[in-house]
Amino acid sequence: AQTVTQSQPEMSVQEAETVTLSCTYDTSESDYYLFWYKQPPSRQMILVIRQEAYKQQNATENRFSVNFQKAAKSFSLKISDSQLGDAAMYFCAFIQSGGSRLTFGEGTQLTVNP
Amino acid sequence: EAGVAQSPRYKIIEKRQSVAFWCNPISGHATLYWYQQILGQGPKLLIQFQNNGVVDDSQLPKDRFSAERLKGVDSTLKIQPAKLEDSAVYLCASRAQGRIFNEQFFGPGTRLTVL
Repeated sequence: AQTVTQSQPEMSVQEAETVTLSCTYDTSESDYYLFWYKQPPSRQMILVIRQEAYKQQNATENRFSVNFQKAAKSFSLKISDSQLGDAAMYFCAFIQSGGSRLTFGEGTQLTVNP
Repeated sequence: EAGVAQSPRYKIIEKRQSVAFWCNPISGHATLYWYQQILGQGPKLLIQFQNNGVVDDSQLPKDRFSAERLKGVDSTLKIQPAKLEDSAVYLCASRAQGRIFNEQFFGPGTRLTVL
């Protein structure tokens, strides 16, 4: 069974600064996808970024980028130029290729200070 | 395109009562999921439908939870009778069939409080 661990229950960052959220996972699969989801107080889960395990290049989406270390089973999210609207709960999630069950971590609550 | 719709957004009931949640997935999405998200935790899959058939209900507490998707579109999740530990947000998600990339689109959730 796959597990996803987020060791930072809470993080805070100053507006315009950079913050990194950590995630580790455990799997015996070699082909899978990793995701970061954002969940604001409205509860709507929004996909922030995804990474295919077979790709060595780290994914980027505007101010969001990941550091994917497959051998270490690590998948961190970097948010650059943090904005007040980035404040939310962030979840790391895993799904094996061809599968359909998402496994989520426990989440990291990000606070952005003005 | 319209997103995943859920209702109600909030529900407060007393223990041992029954409750039902409704989900309308994105049009054309064959796969539908129900997740339970307890406060402070990540979502946990309860049940997955492919069209109107159940694919995975291994984590559904079948003694009190039931779900159906009769016409392969809308779905309802029912709890009968509710327990205090059922207090959570219930998220519905859907996914298009045949996509290489397994993105699931989530609804706004229903927050259930059991007193």
